[in-house]
Amino acid sequence: QITLKESGPTLVKPTQTLTLTCTFSGFSFSSTGVGVGWIRQPPGKALEWLALIYWDDDKRYSPSLKSRLTITKDTSKDQVVLTMTNMDPIDTATYYCAHSPNFGETEYDSWGQGILVTVSS
Amino acid sequence: QSALTQPASVSGSPGQSITISCTGTSSDVGGYNLVSWYQQHPGKAPKLMIYEGTKRPSGVSNRFSASKSGNTASLTISGLQAEDEADYYCCSYATGSGVDVLFGGGTKVTVL
Repeated sequence: QITLKESGPTLVKPTQTLTLTCTFSGFSFSSTGVGVGWIRQPPGKALEWLALIYWDDDKRYSPSLKSRLTITKDTSKDQVVLTMTNMDPIDTATYYCAHSPNFGETEYDSWGQGILVTVSS
Repeated sequence: QSALTQPASVSGSPGQSITISCTGTSSDVGGYNLVSWYQQHPGKAPKLMIYEGTKRPSGVSNRFSASKSGNTASLTISGLQAEDEADYYCCSYATGSGVDVLFGGGTKVTVL
């Protein structure tokens, strides 16, 4: 059974850097094609894809947010970390991490519960 | 790139069939067979219902089916049930300013 869980601060100030950690179990990055992505959802609004990291350390970023995002993985800890710089109140959202099973940027078959991050001074 | 276009709401009575459209461009929906669909109940994480255009993950009811014509993808729910009431999002691989993944604005499905 695959499980993922997001952790990190729930409140950040404008201009600060957000660091979120996704801790997972039930799969590993030793499997070819596996990836972990980040998707966010502002309150009452639609989903927005942020980034994806593959088993071979290949990385994909949303072009509109690429300059602010960094995604990394720690295979020894079964974790993926997303950092987002220069946070703004419009970045207030629930941030989800999700498992991508097979080379699929659009296929996320297991999701974490999400973490609501509020950006406010 | 802009988000994919979905109707804000679709409704139907139990047992009926409904279809949700998802319109993009030749750089996303129309150019690749990489459209997925997600169901999201209030306060819950999204659930994958369709991937690679028409494939259903294990455990997803065969009442859910999908298709594509040109730049528009569609999700059909047949034999509508109360538990199908949720938000539905389409998602597509896209190219333009590099690789991107676009979501639709979401469709609220109401079971009357």
